[in-house]
Amino acid sequence: GNSVTQMEGPVTLSEEAFLTINCTYTATGYPSLFWYVQYPGEGLQLLLKATKADDKGSNKGFEATYRKETTSFHLEKGSVQVSDSAVYFCARSGGSYIPTFGRGTSLIVHP
Amino acid sequence: EPEVTQTPSHQVTQMGQEVILRCVPISNHLYFYWYRQILGQKVEFLVSFYNNEISEKSEIFDDQFSVERPDGSNFTLKIRSTKLEDSAMYFCASSAGTSDPKGETQYFGPGTRLLVL
Repeated sequence: GNSVTQMEGPVTLSEEAFLTINCTYTATGYPSLFWYVQYPGEGLQLLLKATKADDKGSNKGFEATYRKETTSFHLEKGSVQVSDSAVYFCARSGGSYIPTFGRGTSLIVHP
Repeated sequence: EPEVTQTPSHQVTQMGQEVILRCVPISNHLYFYWYRQILGQKVEFLVSFYNNEISEKSEIFDDQFSVERPDGSNFTLKIRSTKLEDSAMYFCASSAGTSDPKGETQYFGPGTRLLVL
């Protein structure tokens, strides 16, 4: 079946550090790929998405590239801020429009 | 900016009781969804709803669960005879239904934390 695997957290960084959160997906079909972010006390918000191979999604300094050859969609940011502290979810769409989510990765950024 | 709202934010109930979780999707959206997240686990799809009927449901969404759109704005999830393992965060989401469904953005509410004792 469809699944998404993302690195376990928490990821703890100092402000201005480089961030990578790994995500891989099962290669069935032609999924769209998403990163959602959940700030404390809030619901999931779409951070970025890519709908086909080699597409790069970007938003708020975050980027992720749809890599079909490695079935990956790693999230990166060059310089994290304290306000980026949140839980990040990787997701893929299935044969329908229902996304399959990863377990989430908690990011903690210290000043 | 329009947003999905959910009430209550927290609910505590006794095992065997019925609960109704409420959601107000974004007003011009056509698709509605319920997800749940057991503490420390992944977000799991429960059900999607379109044109006043269930369009897709997961194996989790058994006869214990039902959904309804009782009026033009609310979208509810009813859990009959709650069990301890129903304790989770329940998220409602909606999407516009105007583009390729596979790539469409879903907008999530803040969630209702349900605790069954």
